[in-house]
Amino acid sequence: EVQLVESGGGLVQPGGSLRLSCAASGFTVSNNYMSWVRQAPGKGLEWVSLIYSGGSTYYADSVKGRFTISRHSSENTLYLQMNNLRPEDTAVYFCAKIAEDGWSGFDSWGQGTLVTVSS
Amino acid sequence: QSVLTQPPSVSGAPGQRVTISCSGSSSNIGAGYDVHWYQQLPGTAPKLLIYNNNNRPSGVPDRFSGSKSGTSPSLAITGLQAEDEADYYCQSYDTSLSGYVFGTGTKVTVL
Repeated sequence: EVQLVESGGGLVQPGGSLRLSCAASGFTVSNNYMSWVRQAPGKGLEWVSLIYSGGSTYYADSVKGRFTISRHSSENTLYLQMNNLRPEDTAVYFCAKIAEDGWSGFDSWGQGTLVTVSS
Repeated sequence: QSVLTQPPSVSGAPGQRVTISCSGSSSNIGAGYDVHWYQQLPGTAPKLLIYNNNNRPSGVPDRFSGSKSGTSPSLAITGLQAEDEADYYCQSYDTSLSGYVFGTGTKVTVL
């Protein structure tokens, strides 16, 4: 059974940093496309970042240059390093697995971890 | 930065049929990329409901269906049930972003 468990969220001051983790089981992170998606309080879903199985990474314009997606093969874990955080980054952050063919949607999601950026 | 547009809300009585539209642009839906739909119940993570325009993952009731007529995808719920009250999002790939885009979301209310 595929399972994704996020951790690392919390309260951080503007300009601060956090690293989110997404521990995976039931599949191999490095063999799949993985993404981070966020949802601000009371708002819709926003795609944040993508890492392909080959290692290429992509980011939404709103986080480019501040966030870094990565993975650790031996730990089967996905990460999101978030630097220079802004109040508008406040959201629940979900990690999501893309279907194995790479084109059939986000077929598994974690429960999310809340990041609050406030002084 | 939602670039797919959905109606903010739709409603219907139990047993009725409702549809949700999803409008994009030439860099996503108009470019021929598939559309996927997600259901998000209150306080939970999204769940894949329809993939590749009109396919249901295992376990999704057949009262949910997707279509993509030309460049106008839509989600239909027939035989609306109280448990279908949720937010629904469409999603596709966007070449200008080299990433994914979500719709603005539609809240379905069962009257």
